Amino acid sequence: GESVGLHLPTLSVQEGDNSIINCAYSNSASDYFIWYKQESGKGPQFIIDIRSNMDKRQGQRVTVLLNKTVKHLSLQIAATQPGDSAVYFCAENMDFNQAGTALIFGKGTTLSVSS
Amino acid sequence: DVKVTQSSRYLVKRTGEKVFLECVQDMDHENMFWYRQDPGLGLRLIYFSYDVKMKEKGDIPEGYSVSREKKERFSLILESASTNQTSMYLCASSFTGANVLTFGAGSRLTVL
Repeated sequence: GESVGLHLPTLSVQEGDNSIINCAYSNSASDYFIWYKQESGKGPQFIIDIRSNMDKRQGQRVTVLLNKTVKHLSLQIAATQPGDSAVYFCAENMDFNQAGTALIFGKGTTLSVSS
Repeated sequence: DVKVTQSSRYLVKRTGEKVFLECVQDMDHENMFWYRQDPGLGLRLIYFSYDVKMKEKGDIPEGYSVSREKKERFSLILESASTNQTSMYLCASSFTGANVLTFGAGSRLTVL
């Protein structure tokens, strides 16, 4: 089936810089997108989500941008901190043969923040 | 603090063994999911369940089965473990109509 992907497997930034993590999706029918953060040894944790009727949504230090024209999703982290070091996954909600919907995840981007 | 608990953090099994991975959630969620996570492949959906005794195949169900006898518990079963099932297994749950999943910490399975 169609899948969500990420442009870069790794991203290295300096503390205090802004980080941008990108994600391309192929299912134009998707109406919901979400970002998760996974720290070492832990399960993924919700960061922020966005519905397809929006272009932008802001949280605390994070912003998600959705460009439906080119099927592109991005996560922006302002003033990146060492604690932001983690693997970041984008995901889209997908129907499964009318059985229901489930999140389909991309391959992940590992963000490394150096002091 | 609400939780999804995976009973085993680390397991080592031999090829051909039957393996049970247990997941329990205390949030009264209707929906439960099993994913496997492999380097460079992200999270891939194995099975999910929308209610007790209900199950649906995800993207990679081959070699796996599941059991949902109680609302709070969703078990992943490997009938005959193989080395290519060595992976991190993640359980998650959500309310009906909600898209946000709450994940457990994961179970790392090694099949020798």
